[in-house]
Amino acid sequence: QSAVTQPRSVSGSPGQSVTISCTGTNSDVGGYNYVSWYQQLPGKAPKLMIYDVSKRPSGVPDRFSASKSGNTASLTISGLQAEDEGDYYCCSYAGTYTSYVFGTGTKVTVL
Amino acid sequence: EVQLVESGGGLVQPGGSLRLSCAASGFTFSTYWMHWVRQGPGEGLVWVSRTNTDGSIRKYADSVKGRFTISRDNAKNTLYLQMSSLRAEDTAVYYCVRADNYRFDYWGQGSLVTVSS
Repeated sequence: QSAVTQPRSVSGSPGQSVTISCTGTNSDVGGYNYVSWYQQLPGKAPKLMIYDVSKRPSGVPDRFSASKSGNTASLTISGLQAEDEGDYYCCSYAGTYTSYVFGTGTKVTVL
Repeated sequence: EVQLVESGGGLVQPGGSLRLSCAASGFTFSTYWMHWVRQGPGEGLVWVSRTNTDGSIRKYADSVKGRFTISRDNAKNTLYLQMSSLRAEDTAVYYCVRADNYRFDYWGQGSLVTVSS
């Protein structure tokens, strides 16, 4: 199973926008509309931020948006806030055998 | 309120065994697929295993296949992960996770497993 890759880190000033890419293959990201995104704050369990490529669970600010094109999904955080600082992981369904693959993770730093 | 509480983690020698438990509450446990996801120290998230609502379907990551067994007791609202032939690379925080369709919507706080002599 090939890795789903994300940039190691992204950063931005408060109020700016940052975008995190999540690049897989047509066996995972490109093959299913079941990409989700998770925020992990230091010392905490991951939290669901986006599911089914672009849907936000209730309670997640609309500053968080996401999309997918081909084998690459993207998460955008608009109006960056200090509380957004943490690690972000994409995850894709990859079929009955492989099940699920997580991205390598991206550290978001608010400057 | 949905709660997932893991227990059973600890220090174990290479080649040893350990069983993790996850007590679920606040939802109808028997109607959800359940998963285990792990995170090595300073590393990313890795999907480990999943089971369907009645435990008849069990899937595993290649890295644990043949060594780990997922199971559930719907009468006790509890998910298990039996781990054997443990290796140093199995050292991680293990999260119990509820799945709603294809999303992981609730996570436990995690249970640390350390494999070391």
